[in-house]
Amino acid sequence: DVVMTQSPLSLPVTLGQPASISCRSSQSLVHSDGNTYLIWFQQRPGQSPRRLIYKVSNRDSGVPDRFSGSGSGTDFTLKISRVEAEDVGVYYCMQATHWPVTFGGGTKVEI
Amino acid sequence: QVHLVESGGGVVQPGRSLKLSCAASGYSFSSHGMHWVRQAPGKGLECVAVIWFDGSIIYYADSVRGRFTISRDNFKNTLYLQMNSLRAEDTAVYYCARLLGAAFQIDYWGQGTRVTVSS
Repeated sequence: DVVMTQSPLSLPVTLGQPASISCRSSQSLVHSDGNTYLIWFQQRPGQSPRRLIYKVSNRDSGVPDRFSGSGSGTDFTLKISRVEAEDVGVYYCMQATHWPVTFGGGTKVEI
Repeated sequence: QVHLVESGGGVVQPGRSLKLSCAASGYSFSSHGMHWVRQAPGKGLECVAVIWFDGSIIYYADSVRGRFTISRDNFKNTLYLQMNSLRAEDTAVYYCARLLGAAFQIDYWGQGTRVTVSS
């Protein structure tokens, strides 16, 4: 199975400041079709996950542009340019290239 | 608007069975594959099964293979997860999630249903 390693586990942030989460995979996430199926989800307290980013860097509709994704191969990053109070929650990366799909352990963003 | 509503969770003794349902609305259910993903208390996320849009392809996680069965009824717009021989470690919130596009991508999630396996 592909192991997804996220860091840090906990990320204390200051409102208005940037934040960055790293996600590394144990093997390449490049699919045979040439795409890289790396997804970022946000899970606010008491809610189900919400997709923010798909295929490494594509932002979902309605997701603020302060969220951005980057990376390639096995090394990926989610950045928040200026943290807002509503960004508190746990962020997960997920690889959807290989079965079984696997998730990172999560990064808890707290003010 | 995509809407996924899970049901069927509850408290069950080890070794017993439970069947979860996920009612889908707001989109063409028969055109999309579906996942079941679980989250144990205070833990991360684990995808336990996926089924293709027409049921032709199914995958299971090693942790549930042989005990869980994923199925769907495209006439009723409903996804199922039959869980047999339940263990304490199956205790989790179970989410259904829509498969979108290529590979095993997920976009929308339901609100989840809680399963507790305890004597």
